[in-house]
Amino acid sequence: QVHLVQSGAEVKKPGSSVKVSCKASGGTFSNHAISWVRQAPGQGLEWMGGIIPIFDTTDYAQKFQGRITITADESTSTAYMELSSLRSEDTAVYFCARPSSLDVYFDYWGQGTLVTVSS
Amino acid sequence: EIVMTQSPATLSVSPGARATLSCRASQSVNRNLAWYQQKPGQAPRLLIYGASTRATGIPARFSGSGSGTEFTLTISSLQSEDFAVYYCQQYNNWPPLTFGGGTKVEIK
Repeated sequence: QVHLVQSGAEVKKPGSSVKVSCKASGGTFSNHAISWVRQAPGQGLEWMGGIIPIFDTTDYAQKFQGRITITADESTSTAYMELSSLRSEDTAVYFCARPSSLDVYFDYWGQGTLVTVSS
Repeated sequence: EIVMTQSPATLSVSPGARATLSCRASQSVNRNLAWYQQKPGQAPRLLIYGASTRATGIPARFSGSGSGTEFTLTISSLQSEDFAVYYCQQYNNWPPLTFGGGTKVEIK
């Protein structure tokens, strides 16, 4: 069974950056894409981007291009999502998620990390 | 980008009744569609993938159908634990992966 455990809540100032981690246990870390999905308060789910650790390849939603960096450390089975130039609209719960197959639907989810952007 | 549209936004249903949720894609996604359930304060839970295959441990009262641009999630007899928000997601053409806006199933 795969478990994804994320880092804790963050409070950030506008214009700063945040880096959220997602540590995987169980299963094979490197072979499966890990995505980041966010959810603003009271809103729906929004895919931000993802990485396939074994290839170190990334895809990002155009909306976040230039502000987002997703990385993975195979030695610790941990994925990271860094979002820069934060604004109040980035206040959201950020989830990491992973499929069990090559298709990109998500069987496994982290518990979510609340990022609050406030001056 | 494929836009996913869910309807209705809110569905009021009595316990034990049937619920039918719709998801429409702006272009064909074949059968590459998943459904998720989300309860307050929790991460989404995968219910259905491949438009109609139940994920591991999902009760048989949940069923999915459709292909191309029109999809349906049916809950045959609503239990108290089924009142939640439901999202569809396409994974046919990406990036980006896209989700619908959600349908909230509430107690009537």
